[in-house]
Amino acid sequence: GNSVTQMEGPVTLSEEAFLTINCTYTATGYPSLFWYVQYPGEGLQLLLKATKADDKGSNKGFEATYRKETTSFHLEKGSVQVSDSAVYFCALILNQAGTALIFGKGTTLSVSS
Amino acid sequence: NAGVTQTPKFQVLKTGQSMTLQCAQDMNHNSMYWYRQDPGMGLRLIYYSASEGTTDKGEVPNGYNVSRLNKREFSLRLESAAPSQTSVYFCASSASGVFVETQYFGPGTRLLVL
Repeated sequence: GNSVTQMEGPVTLSEEAFLTINCTYTATGYPSLFWYVQYPGEGLQLLLKATKADDKGSNKGFEATYRKETTSFHLEKGSVQVSDSAVYFCALILNQAGTALIFGKGTTLSVSS
Repeated sequence: NAGVTQTPKFQVLKTGQSMTLQCAQDMNHNSMYWYRQDPGMGLRLIYYSASEGTTDKGEVPNGYNVSRLNKREFSLRLESAAPSQTSVYFCASSASGVFVETQYFGPGTRLLVL
């Protein structure tokens, strides 16, 4: 089946630390990959996406590269801020009409000053 | 633009009661979705509507019904609420049901079933 596996949290970092949140996937087809972020009390927002192998998605200092050979889409940021504290969801969607997003379980990030 | 709106924001029900969660989007999107979010489970798709006039089951449809009232509105109904339906419910929309389309999420409805 199709699934997304994320590293379990919570991840606790100091401000300006380097962030990596691991994400790997299993897909029967050829997926597009996403990172969504959920700030406290809010809905999910798209953070970045990549639609084909070796694509790099980036936004707000976050980056993730679509690695087909390792079926991974790890999220990175060079210097986190307190305002980055949130829950991060990795997700995939198959490139077929009528399908929907498949989410990982989410990783909570807590950044302290 | 308001984007995706949901009502109510919070609801408490007793087991066996019924209620409808409302969702509306003002982005002229074709596709709409209902998810539930449970601790440690991520988001799971309940139902979706690829276009006006169509609805399909997702991963966890049991105990729920949906109505795509028009292009803007997509409601989720619990006919007889159970404690297992205590969750946070998110509505989302996308321009179409085709892959790579970004989904836009509402702020969520917190439901507690006693």
